[in-house]
Amino acid sequence: DIQMTQSPSSLSASVGDRVTITCRASQGINIKLGWFQQKPEKAPKSLIYDATTLRGGVPSKFSGSGSGTDFTLTITSLQPEDSATYYCQQYYNYPITFGQGTRLEIK
Amino acid sequence: EVQLVESGGDLVQPGGSLRLSCAASGFTFSDYHMDWVRQAPGKGLEWVGRSRDKGNSYTTEYAASVKGRFTISRDDSKNSVHLQMNTLKTEDTAVYYCGRVLRGLEYWGQGTLVTVSS
Repeated sequence: DIQMTQSPSSLSASVGDRVTITCRASQGINIKLGWFQQKPEKAPKSLIYDATTLRGGVPSKFSGSGSGTDFTLTITSLQPEDSATYYCQQYYNYPITFGQGTRLEIK
Repeated sequence: EVQLVESGGDLVQPGGSLRLSCAASGFTFSDYHMDWVRQAPGKGLEWVGRSRDKGNSYTTEYAASVKGRFTISRDDSKNSVHLQMNTLKTEDTAVYYCGRVLRGLEYWGQGTLVTVSS
């Protein structure tokens, strides 16, 4: 199975800041990576697919980069509503696997 | 508008069975793979399995943790996908989400809670 490791596990940032979350795959996954945002007691929401492509309706403050084994999610101009847990997911092969999540707190 | 609505979650005893359903609307259901993903209380996301679309003969894939106990089926005439869960264990306690797949999971339902406890 492909292991997905996110870092950091949690972080705290201020309104207006820029943050970066990293996701590392245990083997190469090309660009078959997605990012999700989950707010408490809500279903996850897809932000990015194929490592860099924003889903429709997702604001451009979110961006993704990477290929192979190393990927990043960057969020700019942080607002209180960006407070959530963010997950990466590989869909290169089965079983599909998620990272353990990164909890983002907005100070 | 794409909508996915899960149902069927309940409290069930260890060793018991439960069938979850996901009703889809707003798109041509037969054209899409459908996934089930679960989330144990306070934990992360775990992929459960997939039903491929009509063009891929409705074949299925499962996580090792549920293979042989869970079965995914779909009824394109009713725009629904189902998760039959047998021999349930306490560690199967989770919110179960269905999702439409397009280059990864594109849309998610709101989830349904399954509690396995005596």
